[in-house]
Amino acid sequence: DIQMTQSPSSLSASVGDRVTITCRASQVISNYLAWFQQKPGKAPKSLIYDASNLQSGVPSKFSGSGSGTDFTLTISSLQPEDFATYYCQQYDSYPLTFGGGTKVEIK
Amino acid sequence: EVQLVESGGDLVQPGGSLRLSCAASGFTFSDYYMDWVRQAPGKGLEWVGRTRDKGHSYTTEYAASVKGRFTVSRDDSKNSLYLQMNSLKTEDTAVYYCAATLAGQHHIDYWGQGTLVTVSS
Repeated sequence: DIQMTQSPSSLSASVGDRVTITCRASQVISNYLAWFQQKPGKAPKSLIYDASNLQSGVPSKFSGSGSGTDFTLTISSLQPEDFATYYCQQYDSYPLTFGGGTKVEIK
Repeated sequence: EVQLVESGGDLVQPGGSLRLSCAASGFTFSDYYMDWVRQAPGKGLEWVGRTRDKGHSYTTEYAASVKGRFTVSRDDSKNSLYLQMNSLKTEDTAVYYCAATLAGQHHIDYWGQGTLVTVSS
């Protein structure tokens, strides 16, 4: 199975900050990587697919990059509605696997 | 508007069975692979299984932790997805989400709101 490792597991940031979350795959997954946002008590929401493509309706402050084994999710200017937990997921091979999540909290 | 509405979550004893349903609307259900993803209390997301579309013979994939105990199925005439769960264990306690992936792609596009399954004596 492909292991997905996210870092950091949590971070504190202020409104307006630029935030970067890293996801590393245990083997090459090309660009078959997605990012999801989950707020407490809510379902996940799809943000990015194929490492860098925004899902319809997702604001451009979110961006993704990377290929191979190393990927990043960047939020250009953090807003109050962005405080949530973010997960990466690989879909290069089965079983599909998620990272452990990164909780973005208010400083 | 895309909607995925799960139902069937309940309290069940270890060793018992339960069937979850997911009703889809707002998109062409038959054009999508469908997944189940779960989240244990306070934990991260875990993919459970997938059924592909008719064009891919409705083939299925499962996580090792549920293979042989859980079965994913679908009824395109009813725009519905199902998860039959047998031989339930306490570690199967989780919120179960259904999710949709456009056939031929592999990334999840849509998520349901989830249904809680509690396995306890």
